[in-house]
Amino acid sequence: ETGVTQTPRHLVMGMTNKKSLKCEQHLGHNAMYWYKQSAKKPLELMFVYSLEERVENNSVPSRFSPECPNSSHLFLHLHTLQPEDSALYLCASSQERSPGEAFFGQGTRLTVV
Amino acid sequence: GENVEQHPSTLSVQEGDSAVIKCTYSDSASNYFPWYKQELGKRPQLIIDIRSNVGEKKDQRIAVTLNKTAKHFSLHITETQPEDSAVYFCAAFRNKLVFGAGTILRVKS
Repeated sequence: ETGVTQTPRHLVMGMTNKKSLKCEQHLGHNAMYWYKQSAKKPLELMFVYSLEERVENNSVPSRFSPECPNSSHLFLHLHTLQPEDSALYLCASSQERSPGEAFFGQGTRLTVV
Repeated sequence: GENVEQHPSTLSVQEGDSAVIKCTYSDSASNYFPWYKQELGKRPQLIIDIRSNVGEKKDQRIAVTLNKTAKHFSLHITETQPEDSAVYFCAAFRNKLVFGAGTILRVKS
C-alpha cells in the first residue's frame, strides 16, 4: 500500500448520471494530481492542486470538476460524461517545491455507457 | 509549459539483452526526472530518479543518465528479465510532474 487510496475502484455510469471519484493520501504531501490513462494518451495530466489551490487545469472539459477540501483529500466530480471519457483515472500526490517521488493510487476504472 | 517526449513507444528485447528508453524535455528549469514502471493492471511505481545536479545514477540493473545541455535523459536496463516487461514512463518536474507517452517493453524468453 503506497498511502494513496482511491474509491471506487470501478464505476459504471450513464451519460446523465452524476458521480464523484475520491482520493485520499496520508503521506503528508501538499500536492495532488488527477491523471487520465487511456490507450490514446497513456498518462494525461488533468488537474494539479498545490496547498489546496488549483494550479493547473489542463484544458479539461467542464464536465470534470475537481475539489480539494484539504491537503489529504481530492475529489473529481463527474456529470454528463461521454463514452470517450471511459478510462482509468489515477490520483497521485507528491511534495511540491521539494520534488520527490509521486505516489499513485490504484486508480478508478470508469466506464460511461 | 513542459513537454516530455519519449521513445520508442514499444521495445522488444531478448532476455539478457539491454534496453534503452530515451526522453527529451522542453523546460530547462525542470529539476527532477523520475522513471515509473507500470505492470498490467497496477499503478505506476517509481523505479529510479535523478536530479538536475547529477549526471548519472545506478541501482543494480537499472541506470539513468541526464544531459541537461541537450535536455534529454535515458533509462538503461541491463540483463533484462521477463519480469521487466511493463510500461515505462519518464517524467520531468518543475512545478508539476509531466509524463512522457510511455514505452511498452517486452522481454522475450
